[in-house]
Amino acid sequence: DTEVTQTPKHLVMGMTNKKSLKCEQHMGHRAMYWYKQKAKKPPELMFVYSYEKLSINESVPSRFSPECPNSSLLNLHLHALQPEDSALYLCASSQWTGTGSSYEQYFGPGTRLTVT
Amino acid sequence: EDKVVQSPLSLVVHEGDTVTLNCSYEVTNFRSLLWYKQEKKAPTFLFMLTSSGIEKKSGRLSSILDKKELSSILNITATQTGDSAIYLCAVEGGSSNTGKLIFGQGTTLQVKP
Repeated sequence: DTEVTQTPKHLVMGMTNKKSLKCEQHMGHRAMYWYKQKAKKPPELMFVYSYEKLSINESVPSRFSPECPNSSLLNLHLHALQPEDSALYLCASSQWTGTGSSYEQYFGPGTRLTVT
Repeated sequence: EDKVVQSPLSLVVHEGDTVTLNCSYEVTNFRSLLWYKQEKKAPTFLFMLTSSGIEKKSGRLSSILDKKELSSILNITATQTGDSAIYLCAVEGGSSNTGKLIFGQGTTLQVKP
């Protein structure tokens, strides 16, 4: 089973709202990722968690706050977003690459976020 | 700056045609090159390549890496309308060993009946 699930599928929020995106995997992967994808563009990495610890933050604005409560779950908390933050937010997971080996990342279906 | 470039950016073919998609990269500390297919939502994994010259094959799709030329190709033979999608090339590399993928712009393939 190579399934990564994400909820919700769609989210519309105002600029003053607080919401959260959720991602879950049960493949025993110890690395989890958040990507942002704008229309007709490739995914852009936002955050990487390895063994539940944040290992990469790609200079993402603080209105995006990631959280990894356990090895299967990854959340992205959203607050005071701007309309330009509207995008498809993808979660991915992989075996941990910190050993020097490479492992494929499996992506979830994404959350389509619209900020009004 | 690390970069991945794909060509062509878009391609229209007819069913039964064979297509070749290209990916070139300039990435420090290269570790692997991955191909993904993206239809409406999530990119789905196709291949991961780490060694030069070894072809990976899955049905009508195949891919090979040339580390000397810093490039890879993805071949699709006997194309079908279901192959219509965006094909993304991504390279794992960079200064930290954390699985960061650098994506190319993608090639949009349209297969007409």
